[in-house]
Amino acid sequence: EPEVTQTPSHQVTQMGQEVILRCVPISNHLYFYWYRQILGQKVEFLVSFYNNEISEKSEIFDDQFSVERPDGSNFTLKIRSTKLEDSAMYFCASRKDRTNTEAFFGQGTRLTVV
Amino acid sequence: AQTVTQSQPEMSVQEAETVTLSCTYDTSESDYYLFWYKQPPSRQMILVIRQEAYKQQNATENRFSVNFQKAAKSFSLKISDSQLGDAAMYFCAYRRVMNRDDKIIFGKGTRLHILP
Repeated sequence: EPEVTQTPSHQVTQMGQEVILRCVPISNHLYFYWYRQILGQKVEFLVSFYNNEISEKSEIFDDQFSVERPDGSNFTLKIRSTKLEDSAMYFCASRKDRTNTEAFFGQGTRLTVV
Repeated sequence: AQTVTQSQPEMSVQEAETVTLSCTYDTSESDYYLFWYKQPPSRQMILVIRQEAYKQQNATENRFSVNFQKAAKSFSLKISDSQLGDAAMYFCAYRRVMNRDDKIIFGKGTRLHILP
């Protein structure tokens, strides 16, 4: 069964460093998302992406964040200068099309900023 | 703005018993989707069940069923014959229909413990 794949599963980085979290959505899906879950808290929406551009972004998604679909298969989330409070689980999700209700989530990348 | 509220941070149930997790939401939309996601210790988000708001019939998936009360804006999850593998964090979630790529809004979650 097709699935959303995220790499790495765990990333440790020093404060101030740039990180790139990678996602491979399901191949025929058109809508892509990043969500974040700080440990013990609820899952929060970061950004949605369609037709090679951002559709919607939350207040969390400030100038330190960017997304890209560089090669038609990968979907990346970049944090330019990480802060301690960026430590969280980051989930990528994809959805097939406008009529499809279900978003499929990846297994997540645990980001630890030290 | 839409909100999702789960008032039970934790619940416990004896194995093989039935448990109901509560969820309420607030929206001014008439058409939307509701979901229950399961997050086991592996942290992956797994869709358990979904409900389209325009459907009056409650969704069921094997041992999982929902009680969807649209007027009350209530969407509870019933797990029958609870199994040890059901132990997880359960998130109630909402998504609008109107926009093509609308985000999912999650509740804070209910941690479910299964007692052997």
